[in-house]
Amino acid sequence: DAMVIQNPRYQVTQFGKPVTLSCSQTLNHNVMYWYQQKSSQAPKLLFHYYDKDFNNEADTPDNFQSRRPNTSFCFLDIRSPGLGDTAMYLCATSRDLNREQYFGPGTRLTVT
Amino acid sequence: AQSVTQLGSHVSVSEGALVLLRCNYSSSVPPYLFWYVQYPNQGLQLLLKYTTGATLVKGINGFEAEFKKSETSFHLTKPSAHMSDAAEYFCAVIFTGGGNKLTFGTGTQLKVEL
Repeated sequence: DAMVIQNPRYQVTQFGKPVTLSCSQTLNHNVMYWYQQKSSQAPKLLFHYYDKDFNNEADTPDNFQSRRPNTSFCFLDIRSPGLGDTAMYLCATSRDLNREQYFGPGTRLTVT
Repeated sequence: AQSVTQLGSHVSVSEGALVLLRCNYSSSVPPYLFWYVQYPNQGLQLLLKYTTGATLVKGINGFEAEFKKSETSFHLTKPSAHMSDAAEYFCAVIFTGGGNKLTFGTGTQLKVEL
C-alpha cells in the first residue's frame, strides 16, 4: 500500500543534543510537509518542500532545519533541542499544493 | 481574517446516537474543506474532503459532511456512533490566496459512551 512512513515512532533526546527525524513516502507526491503538534493542540506547520523548493514558515525557529535529498525522503533536523520542543512531529505529503494531505503516524519526541 | 472555528472542544454521545461535529469558516470565497481524525499517538487520517461539485460529501467509516455556503459551514455527521469513533477530529481548510496552507480548527474530542 502507498503510504507515508516516519522513523522512529518514539525518540528521546537530551537537551541540546541534535536529533534527526525521518519521513519517507511511496505516493510519489510533489509536496512534503513537517508539522509540530503539542499536546491537545492542532498541528502547526513548520515548513514544506514543493519538489526541491524549500518554504519556511515565518515563525519556525532557526533551530529547525529540513532536507529533502530526493522525492521519497525528507528529514527534520533539530540542532539544539530545548524542553519546549517536546511534541509529536508529523510528516505529510500531497500530490500538489491546494490538495488533500496524507499524514504519517508521527514521531513522538521527548527532550529531557 | 480567515479562520476556522470548531464549536465544542469536547463532545460526548451515546453509542448508537447521532454524531454532529461543527465547523465554520470565515472567508468570502469558498475554500477547500477537509475533516481529519486522529487516534491517540497516531497521525491524522483524512475522513473526507470538499473542493467542488456535490455539497454533500461521503467519507470513510460512515461519516459525511455538507458544505453550506450560505452558513459558511462544513459540519461532520454520522447517523450512529460506534465506540471506535472515539478520537480527536480536526476540521481543516485551504483558503484561496492563503498561501496553500492547511489551516486547522482547534479540534473536537469525541467521547462515545455505552
